[in-house]
Amino acid sequence: DTGVSQDPRHKITKRGQNVTFRCDPISEHNRLYWYRQTLGQGPEFLTYFQNEAQLEKSRLLSDRFSAERPKGSFSTLEIQRTEQGDSAMYLCASTYGTSGRQSSYNEQFFGPGTRLTVL
Amino acid sequence: QQQVKQSPQSLIVQKGGISIINCAYENTAFDYFPWYQQFPGKGPALLIAIRPDVSEKKEGRFTISFNKSAKQFSLHIMDSQPGDSATYFCAGGGGGSYIPTFGRGTSLIVHP
Repeated sequence: DTGVSQDPRHKITKRGQNVTFRCDPISEHNRLYWYRQTLGQGPEFLTYFQNEAQLEKSRLLSDRFSAERPKGSFSTLEIQRTEQGDSAMYLCASTYGTSGRQSSYNEQFFGPGTRLTVL
Repeated sequence: QQQVKQSPQSLIVQKGGISIINCAYENTAFDYFPWYQQFPGKGPALLIAIRPDVSEKKEGRFTISFNKSAKQFSLHIMDSQPGDSATYFCAGGGGGSYIPTFGRGTSLIVHP
C-alpha cells in the first residue's frame, strides 16, 4: 500500500500519560500536515512540515503538543501529560508542493487516523 | 478567523435523488476549493476540487458549482446512492497559504 499510514490506529491512555503517534507519508511528498478531528467537526489544522522544516506550529493546541519530522520522511506527534479533552482523531496528510503562489495548496492525501481516548 | 461555513449539518435523501451541500467562504485569496468524503473510521478522501477560474466542474455524478462573487460553492450529487452515505467536508485553501480551512461537515444518509 503506497498511501499515507498512521500508527497506532487506536490508543487508549490514562490522563497524565504521554503519547506519541507516527505518520508515514507518501514517499514523494514533501509536505506533511497534522490535524485533529473531534466528533461532528471538520479537521482542525495543527502543524505542517515542508521536508524537515516545521513551517507553522502556532496552532498546536498547547505547549503539551509537539511534532517532529527529523529526516523529512516520517513524522511524529507527541502529546505530553494527556488530558481528557485531548480525546480525538489525529489525522496526518501529505502532499507535494512547490514554492510560489500558483502551487500553494494542492490535493492532500489523508491517512486513516489515530483515535486517542484519554481516560 | 478565516472560516468556511457549511450547510446543512445533516441531509437525508432517497436513492436516486439529488444531494446538495453548500459552503461559503470569507477569504477571497483562497484559490483551491476541495470536497472531501469521509467514511466512519477512515480519513477524508478527496472527492472533487475546483479553482476559482471556472464556475462548474463535473466528475461523474459529482458536480461543484462555484460562485466567486457570492463567495459560495456547492456540491451536487446526482442519482444519490446508499454507498454515498458518508460525511462530506468542503475546504478552502491556497492564495499563498499552505493551510486549508475545513467546513464542519455534512452527514449524508441515502435511503435505499
